[in-house]
Amino acid sequence: GAGVSQSPSNKVTEKGKDVELRCDPISGHTALYWYRQRLGQGLEFLIYFQGNSAPDKSGLPSDRFSAERTGESVSTLTIQRTQQEDSAVYLCASSSGGLAGLQETQYFGPGTRLLVL
Amino acid sequence: QQQVKQSPQSLIVQKGGISIINCAYENTAFDYFPWYQQFPGKGPALLIAIRPDVSEKKEGRFTISFNKSAKQFSLHIMDSQPGDSATYFCAASVTGGFKTIFGAGTRLFVKA
Repeated sequence: GAGVSQSPSNKVTEKGKDVELRCDPISGHTALYWYRQRLGQGLEFLIYFQGNSAPDKSGLPSDRFSAERTGESVSTLTIQRTQQEDSAVYLCASSSGGLAGLQETQYFGPGTRLLVL
Repeated sequence: QQQVKQSPQSLIVQKGGISIINCAYENTAFDYFPWYQQFPGKGPALLIAIRPDVSEKKEGRFTISFNKSAKQFSLHIMDSQPGDSATYFCAASVTGGFKTIFGAGTRLFVKA
């Protein structure tokens, strides 16, 4: 595709419900990242996928958060039993894959704005 | 050691003025330093980037100054315009590595 797309663009949910956020990376990009951005704050790394390697989950804040990626395409971020503190913008980015000697530019999607009531 | 410290948190500049945002890092393994620009409601987008083998890189009104010995780098926006009003993030990464460390961001407002 022309860019990274994310859906839904906005999500309002009740505390305790599960939510699923979707990211479609740029075609051919093997690397995919999820970030969380709280209002007025910086980017908080959540998880990284690179090709068929095991994902780096070191940024996931709790076991309520999980993510999957099918091959080198779509990724879904799932938040179970949502809490009010989960309210944030969830950004997805993709990049060409970290080939040796290349500098990586991350291309970001527009984000999903999650509000937990 | 993985942190990138960014300042100021917010900045107000008059139209035509110079906007300066500073970042500092500790990990000497970092060898790629991009700046991202984020407009409200949008994802960040790469603005300009530098490698530590040069001390300055200029693209139009945007200049990165890099001080390797001090482990600091800064973004200068010359002739700042209201359209430059956005949040700016500095970042750092290691070639071949995957994780990019972002600064906390600077909210720039350029007054017309």
